[in-house]
Amino acid sequence: DAGVTQSPTHLIKTRGQQVTLRCSPKSGHDTVSWYQQALGQGPQFIFQYYEEEERQRGNFPDRFSGHQFPNYSSELNVNALLLGDSALYLCASSQGWDRWREEQFFGPGTRLTVL
Amino acid sequence: AQKITQTQPGMFVQEKEAVTLDCTYDTSDPSYGLFWYKQPSSGEMIFLIYQGSYDQQNATEGRYSLNFQKARKSANLVISASQLGDSAMYFCAMREREGTSYGKLTFGQGTILTVHP
Repeated sequence: DAGVTQSPTHLIKTRGQQVTLRCSPKSGHDTVSWYQQALGQGPQFIFQYYEEEERQRGNFPDRFSGHQFPNYSSELNVNALLLGDSALYLCASSQGWDRWREEQFFGPGTRLTVL
Repeated sequence: AQKITQTQPGMFVQEKEAVTLDCTYDTSDPSYGLFWYKQPSSGEMIFLIYQGSYDQQNATEGRYSLNFQKARKSANLVISASQLGDSAMYFCAMREREGTSYGKLTFGQGTILTVHP
């Protein structure tokens, strides 16, 4: 049973560029959440997708956008990259978007470096 | 106010000893979930244990147990018989209602645990 997978594992971009990160949820999961984790900090919630719609969003600018596909996989897009966007980007999947008892399973993350 | 507070930036424990990692939370929602995750240096977040706000018993999962004191809004993680492989960052997290959704996990700042041989 494959867990949550993310690609790529590492990425280096320059300021002003755009980046796309990808996530495949754990088998049987239909909900994908994205988190940003700066070095030495706890993860910060970016947004969550269910049924191909953004269901909840954290305090991130519109430069951060996403998409969910019919097979439940998801993309995170960041436009006009800033140095402060350098972080580990974690994808998490779960079953159902409104179940407070459900744990979220995390992928290995994509480490983005912006130069 | 911080939703999740972990006051111990770093903790040290001797192998085979027990250790308690502190977590306090703040919510006015009667329905919420509390989670502990382990993050090794590789970066992946590993789920350890869950406690629901209506659960009467403290949660246990193998060597992990959660000391849930609802009135004090604390959810401390207890690791018994520490192993060298337990050295990692540990995060406490909460799920509560935001609007109509329970999707978001709010994390604390984390505690780095170092297990000495």
